[in-house]
Amino acid sequence: EPEVTQTPSHQVTQMGQEVILRCVPISNHLYFYWYRQILGQKVEFLVSFYNNEISEKSEIFDDQFSVERPDGSNFTLKIRSTKLEDSAMYFCASTQTGAYEQYFGPGTRLTVT
Amino acid sequence: RKEVEQDPGPFNVPEGATVAFNCTYSNSASQSFFWYRQDCRKEPKLLMSVYSSGNEDGRFTAQLNRASQYISLLIRDSKLSDSATYLCVRISNFGNEKLTFGTGTRLTIIP
Repeated sequence: EPEVTQTPSHQVTQMGQEVILRCVPISNHLYFYWYRQILGQKVEFLVSFYNNEISEKSEIFDDQFSVERPDGSNFTLKIRSTKLEDSAMYFCASTQTGAYEQYFGPGTRLTVT
Repeated sequence: RKEVEQDPGPFNVPEGATVAFNCTYSNSASQSFFWYRQDCRKEPKLLMSVYSSGNEDGRFTAQLNRASQYISLLIRDSKLSDSATYLCVRISNFGNEKLTFGTGTRLTIIP
C-alpha cells in the first residue's frame, strides 16, 4: 500500500540554525500539507501546497518557514532560523484531487536546543 | 468557542465493553468530519469518514448530528489494541482543504 514517507525521523538542531524536513508524498497525489504537533497539544495546520504554489497557510507559517517541491517526488519544509518553540513533531500529508481524506507520514521529531 | 471540541478523557474501559465519545463543533458551514486515531508519538491514521448522517465499519460506528452540531464515535467489544487517542477532525466541503483537529480523547482499554 502506498504511503507518505518522511526524513529524518528525528532532527536535533541548535537555536538559530536552519533545518529542512523532507517528505515524499504518495505518487499520484497532487495536494500536499504540513502540520505540526507540539508535545501534548493538538495537531495544527501549517501550510497546503498545490501546483507549485502555496494554497493556504496558517498564522504559524511566518517568514521563517518556506515550502518547496524541488523535484517530482520530494516536498520540503524549511525553517530558516529555528526557535526553541519550533520543537514539535512535523507531519507531512497528501491527498488526491477532489478528495477529503489526507494520509499522513510518520513525522519528523524536531528538537531545538 | 473552539472549532472542534473533545473531552480529553482519559477513558479507561474494560476489554469487551462498549465506549462512546462525542465531539462538538461550532462552525455551521458545509463541512465533513473524520475520526483519526493516533498512537503515542505516531502519525494520525484515518479511522473513518463521517458523511451525512453516519457510518459503520465493523465494531466502529460514527454518527453526525448536524442539528445539535456533534459527532460521536462508538466502539463495541473493545480490544486492547483500541487503546489510542481518537481525534475528531473537520474539513470544509470544498475538497483538498486543511484539516482542523480536536485535541483528542485518550482511550485506554484495560485487560
